[in-house]
Amino acid sequence: DVKVTQSSRYLVKRTGEKVFLECVQDMDHENMFWYRQDPGLGLRLIYFSYDVKMKEKGDIPEGYSVSREKKERFSLILESASTNQTSMYLCASRTGWNEKLFFGSGTQLSVL
Amino acid sequence: SQQGEEDPQALSIQEGENATMNCSYKTSINNLQWYRQNSGRGLVHLILIRSNEREKHSGRLRVTLDTSKKSSSLLITASRAADTASYFCIYSGAGSYQLTFGKGTKLSVIP
Repeated sequence: DVKVTQSSRYLVKRTGEKVFLECVQDMDHENMFWYRQDPGLGLRLIYFSYDVKMKEKGDIPEGYSVSREKKERFSLILESASTNQTSMYLCASRTGWNEKLFFGSGTQLSVL
Repeated sequence: SQQGEEDPQALSIQEGENATMNCSYKTSINNLQWYRQNSGRGLVHLILIRSNEREKHSGRLRVTLDTSKKSSSLLITASRAADTASYFCIYSGAGSYQLTFGKGTKLSVIP
């Protein structure tokens, strides 16, 4: 089975800190995604990568950047964390554009 | 990317009953997928149905797709307490890599 691993289950950071969220998949998937999930707002796409070193902005990229130097790893970076970035962050991957998504277990980030 | 609509938003049933959730969308689609999310966890894939398919089964799950009505339904038969979760539909528009999420149906199965 495909495994999508997010480095932390829970994370607490202070306002202004630089935060790295890591996601690794083990099935050579082309596409990788970062979403955030908030009550009442559902899942919103932050960034999408369709191949190594390739990225596209999603619906809410402000305050975030991403890195995909290797195919299996997709990192989400909060350049200067703010309290409104407190959320559940979900990473997902898929083999191709018309295939199912595999999600990680999520990282609950709290910014104090 | 939040254009899918699911109903009901919440559903509470007794163990052993069937649960039906619906998803409507607005564009032509490549496929539609259903996922389950237990509280505070990631989403788990249940079924993918392609635009040229009308019905798919997996164990106690049955998914239908009506492209003329732009809608899909997920039926869980003989529900169990362990089915308590939120259920989401996700679909991709024809010719697009973008995914659209519904806001989910929160299912509670009472033992």
